[in-house]
Amino acid sequence: EDKVVQSPLSLVVHEGDTVTLNCSYEVTNFRSLLWYKQEKKAPTFLFMLTSSGIEKKSGRLSSILDKKELFSILNITATQTGDSAIYLCAVKGGGSEKLVFGKGTKLTVNP
Amino acid sequence: DGGITQSPKYLFRKEGQNVTLSCEQNLNHDAMYWYRQDPGQGLRLIYYSQIVNDFQKGDIAEGYSVSREKKESFPLTVTSAQKNPTAFYLCASSMGYGGARRNTEAFFGQGTRLTVV
Repeated sequence: EDKVVQSPLSLVVHEGDTVTLNCSYEVTNFRSLLWYKQEKKAPTFLFMLTSSGIEKKSGRLSSILDKKELFSILNITATQTGDSAIYLCAVKGGGSEKLVFGKGTKLTVNP
Repeated sequence: DGGITQSPKYLFRKEGQNVTLSCEQNLNHDAMYWYRQDPGQGLRLIYYSQIVNDFQKGDIAEGYSVSREKKESFPLTVTSAQKNPTAFYLCASSMGYGGARRNTEAFFGQGTRLTVV
């Protein structure tokens, strides 16, 4: 059974701090790992990772995948209050389109 | 505009009644998904469909049913057999099946909040 474990489940920081969110996974025939941000209702796509060691970057957010250790991290530097959200990690594997999510990390950035 | 539309946004149901949540997409996507979200639980997969006239159970399919008669539509029925149906339901779609198109992100609708009264 495919499994995604995110840590920590919640995190409270001050503006300007740097945070690292973790995602470990177990999936048969890994194809991709995806990160999403959920502020209110619909999660919005951040990154898709398919290869080890290649950093994806967008502004203050970056992410990297380690396929040997079955692990990904999402880094946010110089956090802002607008970064407060639930960050979701998901994996796709096998020969199907099944997409399995973790429980998410709730990030709160205080001014 | 292209996107995924879920309706209604809020739904109230009496215990013992079946209710159907609508999900429509005009992105020409093959794959569609239904997730349930409870506080602190992330997104749990109920059903997914890779192509028209096909669907597969996810991790929490009991008490739910789906159909995929048209590419753009993937309705979810919450039956009276679902013990605790009050939750936030999210529908998603992705380009999906076949070749290099498999590694694409999923796009989400705005969700339906179902409350059993």
